[in-house]
Amino acid sequence: SYVLTQPPSVSVAPGKTARITCGGNNIGSKSVHWYQQKPGQAPVLVVYDDSDRPSGIPERFSGSNSGNTATLTISRVEAGDEADYYCQVWDSSSDHRVFGGGTKLTVL
Amino acid sequence: QVQLVQSGAEVKKPGASVKVSCKASGYTFTSYDINWVRQATGQGLEWMGWMNPNSGNTGYAQKFQGRVTMTRNTSISTAYMELSSLRSEDTAVYYCARGGYCSSTSCYSGDGMDVWGQGTTVTVSS
Repeated sequence: SYVLTQPPSVSVAPGKTARITCGGNNIGSKSVHWYQQKPGQAPVLVVYDDSDRPSGIPERFSGSNSGNTATLTISRVEAGDEADYYCQVWDSSSDHRVFGGGTKLTVL
Repeated sequence: QVQLVQSGAEVKKPGASVKVSCKASGYTFTSYDINWVRQATGQGLEWMGWMNPNSGNTGYAQKFQGRVTMTRNTSISTAYMELSSLRSEDTAVYYCARGGYCSSTSCYSGDGMDVWGQGTTVTVSS
């Protein structure tokens, strides 16, 4: 089955840029979606199809995808961005949706 | 507004079954697939499967094959997920989530899941 690998944690100072990676075999050929989850809350879609943002998501959230790595970039990080972030793809060979293990973003 | 509202918390004994509901509103229920995702305490998100509300067709993650059943009642725009032969490891929060666009026969699974229910806590304990 298809595996997505994320770093367990990323730390960043307020106002700086956070980058969260998601590794997978030839992930650049797939559409990657990113979710933000705060404690006690349901996940929220923040980036879809590699780099598009749903309405209501700040422009500070952006994404890219190439080769074996997709990246979620959060610019001008705020304290409110502290959360767990998950990448997700659809594996067409198994017809399964797959999540990465998640990355805890800490704002210092 | 577009929303999914799930049923309340459940406590079950090992070996029992649980059925969680997910009521859709604010959009055409049969136009988008419904996915089920679970999360054990302190753990990541785990995709369980999907259902085409139009046709009733389903697809389950291999891990849950034979134990999970996803159904729907289109007259009340509600999806259901039933998990049987419960064990302690099934203790988790269960979410429903809206996925890709569906035709009468198939759904596009490449879309992100843009609307989520509030989650239902299922506790399995003797």
